[in-house]
Amino acid sequence: SAVISQKPSRDICQRGTSLTIQCQVDSQVTMMFWYRQQPGQSLTLIATANQGSEATYESGFVIDKFPISRPNLTFSTLTVSNMSPEDSSIYLCSVGSGQDLYEQYFGPGTRLTVT
Amino acid sequence: GQNIDQPTEMTATEGAIVQINCTYQTSGFNGLFWYQQHAGEAPKFLSYNVLDGLEEKGRFSSFLSRSKGYSYLLLKELQMKDSASYLCAIMDSNYQLIWGAGTKLIIKP
Repeated sequence: SAVISQKPSRDICQRGTSLTIQCQVDSQVTMMFWYRQQPGQSLTLIATANQGSEATYESGFVIDKFPISRPNLTFSTLTVSNMSPEDSSIYLCSVGSGQDLYEQYFGPGTRLTVT
Repeated sequence: GQNIDQPTEMTATEGAIVQINCTYQTSGFNGLFWYQQHAGEAPKFLSYNVLDGLEEKGRFSSFLSRSKGYSYLLLKELQMKDSASYLCAIMDSNYQLIWGAGTKLIIKP
């Protein structure tokens, strides 16, 4: 299994500012994903981070609000731009791993509170 | 449309057995996953089923029936540390995971 770290683990931010979340993996992985999880809710996929090309966003998420970088096979960032209290959530990165890339492993998450 | 249903909450007794069901309707199917998530922690991969039948892994087993759009996660010899949310997820035709809302399992002594 892959070991995934995220920075920061938590942050409290003011409305209108931006926060960049980093995701680091201890091995090269093909597929990296960014999720959001509201308190008590299941996971919502924001986008798939592709190495060497633009991220693929899910319905309801746009690049201007959640720009993503994937400069190499072990690292990705997600920026939450122009934040509002509705962006308060846990943001998780995950990677496809396992023999068939069918196992997904998650980072510890970033708990974001927007005031 | 895509739909995954699982009970919101279940309660069981330490040492007993519990079965958490998941039914689904999705566009394409490339496997069903179960994840365990303790409060405040990231989801942890438990199992993956792509063929019909039962997969056993220690105290946990997962069953799949593709024709019925049905799966269950069976937990045996329950321990207090098994108190967590259990998430059912389907990998669709685009190889992306569609997540259920999760089942909160409460274990009582």
